[in-house]
Amino acid sequence: AQTVTQSQPEMSVQEAETVTLSCTYDTSESDYYLFWYKQPPSRQMILVIRQEAYKQQNATENRFSVNFQKAAKSFSLKISDSQLGDAAMYFCAYRPNYGGATNKLIFGTGTLLAVQP
Amino acid sequence: KAGVTQTPRYLIKTRGQQVTLSCSPISGHRSVSWYQQTPGQGLQFLFEYFSETQRNKGNFPGRFSGRQFSNSRSEMNVSTLELGDSALYLCASSLQQGEQETQYFGPGTRLLVL
Repeated sequence: AQTVTQSQPEMSVQEAETVTLSCTYDTSESDYYLFWYKQPPSRQMILVIRQEAYKQQNATENRFSVNFQKAAKSFSLKISDSQLGDAAMYFCAYRPNYGGATNKLIFGTGTLLAVQP
Repeated sequence: KAGVTQTPRYLIKTRGQQVTLSCSPISGHRSVSWYQQTPGQGLQFLFEYFSETQRNKGNFPGRFSGRQFSNSRSEMNVSTLELGDSALYLCASSLQQGEQETQYFGPGTRLLVL
């Protein structure tokens, strides 16, 4: 079975500093997608960044970047220059690529990020 | 373009009742997925629909059902409610099913079963 593990239930960072959220996953598939979603308090979930497993280059979106280690099955999220608006629950998610047959996401348990002013 | 909308936003029911939740995807999106979010179990996949057909179903009892209409709007139904069904139910839509697709989530329906 495919699983996603986030071992840090809570993290804290000072404004303008950098923080890294960890995620590991388990799968026997070779082709899949990985995502980081952000869920602010009482607001809807939004996609932060995504990574295709077949791409060796780590994805980057402005202040957000990932460290994708396929062999280690690790997918961490780095947030640079943290802002107060980054405070949220962050979910790591996995989606197998069965030729487009499914959009099903498997989520980790989440990491609650607090940003201190 | 309007985002994914879910109605109602909040709902209180009692055990044994049934409930229907609605999800309107982003205009033009044909794929809709449903997730249950609880503090104990986290986010769990319920089912997904594409062009009115259920493509995948998660590991939930038969009390949980859904459907999708020709306009891509989707409903999920929970019959004989149990206390453990209290959760935030999230709907996500995407244009198609496929590797390039990004899913956009709605605000959710918070269901409380008393």
